[in-house]
Amino acid sequence: DTGVSQDPRHKITKRGQNVTFRCDPISEHNRLYWYRQTLGQGPEFLTYFQNEAQLEKSRLLSDRFSAERPKGSFSTLEIQRTEQGDSAMYLCASSPDYGDKNIQYFGAGTRLSVL
Amino acid sequence: AQSVTQLDSQVPVFEEAPVELRCNYSSSVSVYLFWYVQYPNQGLQLLLKYLSGSTLVKGINGFEAEFNKSQTSFHLRKPSVHISDTAEYFCAVSPGGEAGNMLTFGGGTRLMVKP
Repeated sequence: DTGVSQDPRHKITKRGQNVTFRCDPISEHNRLYWYRQTLGQGPEFLTYFQNEAQLEKSRLLSDRFSAERPKGSFSTLEIQRTEQGDSAMYLCASSPDYGDKNIQYFGAGTRLSVL
Repeated sequence: AQSVTQLDSQVPVFEEAPVELRCNYSSSVSVYLFWYVQYPNQGLQLLLKYLSGSTLVKGINGFEAEFNKSQTSFHLRKPSVHISDTAEYFCAVSPGGEAGNMLTFGGGTRLMVKP
């Protein structure tokens, strides 16, 4: 069990560029979550997958944001035409269907800076 | 919908002193309650959780919390803090019942332990 892995850890981009982040959940965890954390705030829910199905999306997830989990394993979060307001830490979490199914295990996050 | 209020944004305390970090929530349904800790440039680590049963729950690193349904609170306590406890602490709730529910976080409390 290597934990939830996120890549890259840091991303600096210019306004208007597209960025993509990757999350590898803990092996055999069926549920995967994305959260956004701005400076000095708690994380805010963005979206949730059970296997490959995207079951819930927050209204924070504008049409510039898209998340996928094509084979029910890793997930990607893409932001198109980035804006300075997108600067934040993007956190991924996963949880199993059994045992500690109510516990979400978090990765170290991807810190995005939009210049 | 749920909401979480962490009443103190910063708590300074001397090493070996006791500490309490306050958390209040609101919800129209039953909830599960969590405390997470975040060290600089890292993801969130689960400290403890309340799902059901005894209202006093013990977690890692000597922390404990008490669920008070009438006061809708879930305050975190430690009888004697160490320098290494300096971090950001987040209280979170999710709807009780089925797994896979999103977490709603408070704004966080920065615990600053002084020598």
